[in-house]
Amino acid sequence: GIQVEQSPPDLILQEGANSTLRCNFSDSVNNLQWFHQNPWGQLINLFYIPSGTKQNGRLSATTVATERYSLLYISSSQTTDSGVYFCAVDYGGSQGNLIFGKGTKLSVKP
Amino acid sequence: DTEVTQTPKHLVMGMTNKKSLKCEQHMGHRAMYWYKQKAKKPPELMFVYSYEKLSINESVPSRFSPECPNSSLLNLHLHALQPEDSALYLCASSQDPTVIAKNIQYFGAGTRLSVL
Repeated sequence: GIQVEQSPPDLILQEGANSTLRCNFSDSVNNLQWFHQNPWGQLINLFYIPSGTKQNGRLSATTVATERYSLLYISSSQTTDSGVYFCAVDYGGSQGNLIFGKGTKLSVKP
Repeated sequence: DTEVTQTPKHLVMGMTNKKSLKCEQHMGHRAMYWYKQKAKKPPELMFVYSYEKLSINESVPSRFSPECPNSSLLNLHLHALQPEDSALYLCASSQDPTVIAKNIQYFGAGTRLSVL
């Protein structure tokens, strides 16, 4: 099956710093989503980005489908950005089966 | 509105109990999903309902029994669970699983289950 690898596994930032999270996947995908899981467990949709670049406020994402990776940029980080960031892909092997990476745990210190 | 509502938020049950988890969405989505997430792990798919029919069962033990009474509602019936089944159970929905661009999944807040 498809492999989804995220890096780094853990990241500690000072408030105001910028960061880049990476997601590599081993096969072509139909769908790629970035999620933020807050400390209470809620998975929040950040981006649906099978290819191209999108921006939403301080967050932006880029997926280069031909090279099988996606990047999530967080600028001017805030303590509320803390949590786990997941990349999830649907490679089309099943109907809507999202395969999640192991996540990047982000801690933003004040 | 992209809201998926799960109840209860927390559940503690004994190994001989029978309980149910509930998930509801009113976005007109035609696919609904159950995921299981253990601590410090990513979510793992358990079941997929597409147009109210079970389309994927990822080799889940029979002590977990899904039900989709209508397109807005998804239940997960629990019976004779084991302590290792303690986890966060997440429900998700998507507009149309047969159309790639309409398969964006939206998640509920989850039910945190403890089996004693």
